[in-house]
Amino acid sequence: QKEVEQDPGPLSVPEGAIVSLNCTYSNSAFQYFMWYRQYSRKGPELLMYTYSSGNKEDGRFTAQVDKSSKYISLFIRDSQPSDSATYLCAMSETPNDMRFGAGTRLTVKP
Amino acid sequence: DAGITQSPRHKVTETGTPVTLRCHQTENHRYMYWYRQDPGHGLRLIHYSYGVKDTDKGEVSDGYSVSRSKTEDFLLTLESATSSQTSVYFCAISVGHLVNTEAFFGQGTRLTVV
Repeated sequence: QKEVEQDPGPLSVPEGAIVSLNCTYSNSAFQYFMWYRQYSRKGPELLMYTYSSGNKEDGRFTAQVDKSSKYISLFIRDSQPSDSATYLCAMSETPNDMRFGAGTRLTVKP
Repeated sequence: DAGITQSPRHKVTETGTPVTLRCHQTENHRYMYWYRQDPGHGLRLIHYSYGVKDTDKGEVSDGYSVSRSKTEDFLLTLESATSSQTSVYFCAISVGHLVNTEAFFGQGTRLTVV
């Protein structure tokens, strides 16, 4: 069993839809949680970073961490075609031990 | 892009040959990382560096070595390339006070071992 599980999709939604992306994990010691966005043939770029449990909002993006369920989510409101990318969750117990999910490919259709 | 340059961007090499990938940063950050990305596995840490001549192993370090003789350059070497090392390699730097939790990535090097 992988430490971090992420549904690879693909996920296709119409423009304006609310998108929900999720990851589960097995290591209860993880305390740093990140979401990255990766466009095709580009490097990942950091979208959201949260420490421990709770919610964090940044514009159209909301990250949620539920440590009791070992489950993290990223919500995208009013999705746009420019949001079409692969979304990677990442988490770590210590600062230099980041573990990534395999990524979910999202397509937002105009 | 936090001033990260990877070279080469693409490389095809033969099994058994040595290969060196270079990561160059312009902003003097202390922490640098090498990852590989493969379908179904996401990104996996190979090695990282926390200063000149200071390096440590990551999750998938077998078959790889690294060197950092200057703050701005972090080299990844495949001593004898194998087909299983065909992958996309990303360099990253950490800019936050919580190292590796605010990482910025380079554009990647696509390596094919034939």
